[in-house]
Amino acid sequence: EAGVVQSPRYKIIEKKQPVAFWCNPISGHNTLYWYRQNLGQGPELLIRYENEEAVDDSQLPKDRFSAERLKGVDSTLKIQPAELGDSAVYLCASSLVRGIWGGYRGNNEQFFGPGTRLTVL
Amino acid sequence: GQSLEQPSEVTAVEGAIVQINCTYQTSGFYGLSWYQQHDGGAPTFLSYNALDGLEETGRFSSFLSRSDSYGYLLLQELQMKDSASYFCAVNFNKFYFGSGTKLNVKP
Repeated sequence: EAGVVQSPRYKIIEKKQPVAFWCNPISGHNTLYWYRQNLGQGPELLIRYENEEAVDDSQLPKDRFSAERLKGVDSTLKIQPAELGDSAVYLCASSLVRGIWGGYRGNNEQFFGPGTRLTVL
Repeated sequence: GQSLEQPSEVTAVEGAIVQINCTYQTSGFYGLSWYQQHDGGAPTFLSYNALDGLEETGRFSSFLSRSDSYGYLLLQELQMKDSASYFCAVNFNKFYFGSGTKLNVKP
């Protein structure tokens, strides 16, 4: 079974330039997450999708970050314009969550992709 | 708000047992998870505690006490390949990861 696929693996851009990351989750996984991870820190959730719906984007800096998950499968995360502080690893993860009467259920097993290491100069 | 606290670094020798603690300040959460991440790699799932008590998976065990807002990951028979960072994470319809504990296993 293929894992979570992300591209590109590395990206170097100058500040104020736009950048986009792509994620293909594990087939059948309805929940997709984008995280940002700074060196020496834990992943920080940016946005979580259940199917096509963004159910938690409270930590997404909406002035410059945007995300979409068309058709409830692949997802893209965009930064425009990038700033020096955006340098980090951007991780995508997916999981299969079965909700009963709403709310979150599951064992919280998220499958992470290899990440995109972004360097903003 | 919510916060998770873990020791920043732990060192142990091969074959030993090590416990990584995680204390949290949140309420109404569904459970506590543990992830392992090698340098340059992606986090991988280790265990999940939805209920109080001990969960065992091979050499790894995880414990949760909701009344004490506390959990830990126990690694037994340490191997060199266990050198990595370990993150606890809480799930309450939002997901928060701790800042991680770097485990150094020495021969």
